[in-house]
Amino acid sequence: GEDVEQSLFLSVREGDSSVINCTYTDSSSTYLYWYKQEPGAGLQLLTYIFSNMDMKQDQRLTVLLNKKDKHLSLRIADTQTGDSAIYFCAESNDSGGGADGLTFGKGTHLIIQP
Amino acid sequence: NAGVTQTPKFQVLKTGQSMTLQCAQDMNHNSMYWYRQDPGMGLRLIYYSASEGTTDKGEVPNGYNVSRLNKREFSLRLESAAPSQTSVYFCASSVNGVGGYTFGSGTRLTVV
Repeated sequence: GEDVEQSLFLSVREGDSSVINCTYTDSSSTYLYWYKQEPGAGLQLLTYIFSNMDMKQDQRLTVLLNKKDKHLSLRIADTQTGDSAIYFCAESNDSGGGADGLTFGKGTHLIIQP
Repeated sequence: NAGVTQTPKFQVLKTGQSMTLQCAQDMNHNSMYWYRQDPGMGLRLIYYSASEGTTDKGEVPNGYNVSRLNKREFSLRLESAAPSQTSVYFCASSVNGVGGYTFGSGTRLTVV
């Protein structure tokens, strides 16, 4: 079945850029997502990218997709303490609301050092 | 503007007890999902409902049942709780279009 892999932890200094990486195996992935989970809360959709795009930028967030290598990354510019959270990569091979749900990675804990 | 509402937020059960986790969405979404989140395991799909009146098994359905009561509500039932079901449970919904899912804030369940 599909698999989504992420590193479990990333530590960065406040003000630096954070780059969270994700690899996936499903070559028919249509949409790829980044979710943010703050402590004690549910998952919040940060951004998503369609598989025919290479890049998407939204304020401090930049998503890069290398479809050939099945590699997705999320760059957070000027990382702040409020960015401390778990970031989940997810993929779907349909419109995103399909019958079999999203496949999630295990999440990357982003730790911000002062 | 409630989005996805889950109740209860916390629950402690004894082994063998039963309970139902409630989920409701007010966004007129067609699809609804139940996930469980365990440390180091990410989110795993328990059951989903692609539309009102249909339900299907996900990755880890054993020990659970679901009911899609109407378009708004999708409940998850544990008939005989086991310690292995200690987890955080998330309900989510989707319109079936672009944009991913909307998640509830979760139910933290402990089975002792």
